[in-house]
Order: sequence, then C-alpha cells, then structure tokens
Amino acid sequence: DAGVIQSPRHEVTEMGQEVTLRCKPISGHNSLFWYRQTMMRGLELLIYFNNNVPIDDSGMPEDRFSAKMPNASFSTLKIQPSEPRDSAVYFCASTGRTSPLAKNIQYFGAGTRLSVL
Amino acid sequence: AQTVTQSQPEMSVQEAETVTLSCTYDTSESDYYLFWYKQPPSRQMILVIRQEAYKQQNATENRFSVNFQKAAKSFSLKISDSQLGDAAMYFCAYRREGKLIFGQGTELSVKP
Repeated sequence: DAGVIQSPRHEVTEMGQEVTLRCKPISGHNSLFWYRQTMMRGLELLIYFNNNVPIDDSGMPEDRFSAKMPNASFSTLKIQPSEPRDSAVYFCASTGRTSPLAKNIQYFGAGTRLSVL
Repeated sequence: AQTVTQSQPEMSVQEAETVTLSCTYDTSESDYYLFWYKQPPSRQMILVIRQEAYKQQNATENRFSVNFQKAAKSFSLKISDSQLGDAAMYFCAYRREGKLIFGQGTELSVKP
C-alpha cells in the first residue's frame, strides 16, 4: 500500500490567494483527519470525516477554511483567502478496520508545508 | 476536556543508553487509547507504540516500551539501546471518539 498521499509537499503563495491541499487516504480506510502543526499551537485537529461525512469540524479556525470529501479516496482542505498566519504544516491521516492490528491507528501522510507570504 | 502534557521539551541520551520520555493526560473516560508518535526531520509522523487503556499489560515494540499507570494517568515511553536514528520529536497522543489529542512534544537528541 502506498500509504496516505498528500499533495503538494510544499506550497508557497501570497496573502489573499486560494490554497487547496489534497489527500488520498489508504484504500479501505473509512475515517480521514486533517491536522495542522505550528510551533505555537503544536498539532491540532481541524476536521475529521467518517464514511465521507464530516463528523467534527470544531477545530476549523474560521470560515476561510473548508474541507470536503467527495468520495472515499479523496479529500481537500481549502483556504480562501489565505493569510500569513495560516503558514503551517498540514497533515492528513486515515484509519480504518482493515486489520485487527491496524484498528484505531491513524496513519499520517507526509504533510504539506504551506507558506503564505 | 482531555489534555496531554509532555513536561520535557528536550531530552538527550548517549547512544546505546536508555531514555524515558514522560507523558501525562487528563480524562474522565475509562476506555481510551494512547499512542507515541515519532517525527524525524523529514516531518513524517510515524507510530511508535500504542496502548489500550483496558489492558493492564504494558505495550512493547522491540526497543520501545511503555510504562502505563492508569490511576496516575501517566504514559511514559522507554527507549532502550538508543540509536542515532531515534533522534526525533516524540509526541504522546490520546485517542477518544476517533480524535487524537497531542502533547507538545519532546525533542530527543542522541549523542554518538
């Protein structure tokens, strides 16, 4: 299995621009998570989906952030308009009962480093 | 609210020695999962070990083991025979209702 795949690995954009981060979860997983990592706030959950349905979006900072999961193999996190304080590493993770040993384990993608100038 | 505290921002260990990273958490739940993740400079989050709260036996994975004290809400990670490749940020995490709540991390350096 290729693991959780995120794109792009790095994104540099200017303030006010729209940014879209993409994630492909591990095949067979039914839960997907978006996390943000910053020096000040550490790792924090933004939103998570179960069976493509958003379950908890209480971590989404504001209306500029939106996330979708149109099918079981793809999710996007969009920031519009972006601001310098959005600069962070954004991780996608997935989990599912593909095996008893893998139950409840979240597997992370390599992350997207976003820089908003 | 569930919180996770790692009180050691930085730790250092000599190669081949043993080091213990501390983690405490706050919860009112009785059934939950705890994890240690490793984040090397590549920034990839790698699962090191997990513990199910209802299991009294401490989890072990090769050179990695935990000391799980449920009553004290403590979950420390012991790394034996430390290797240069163990140098990384280590995050303790608590899982409940699907979500992971992370501690602030401990940066571990390994001296040759």
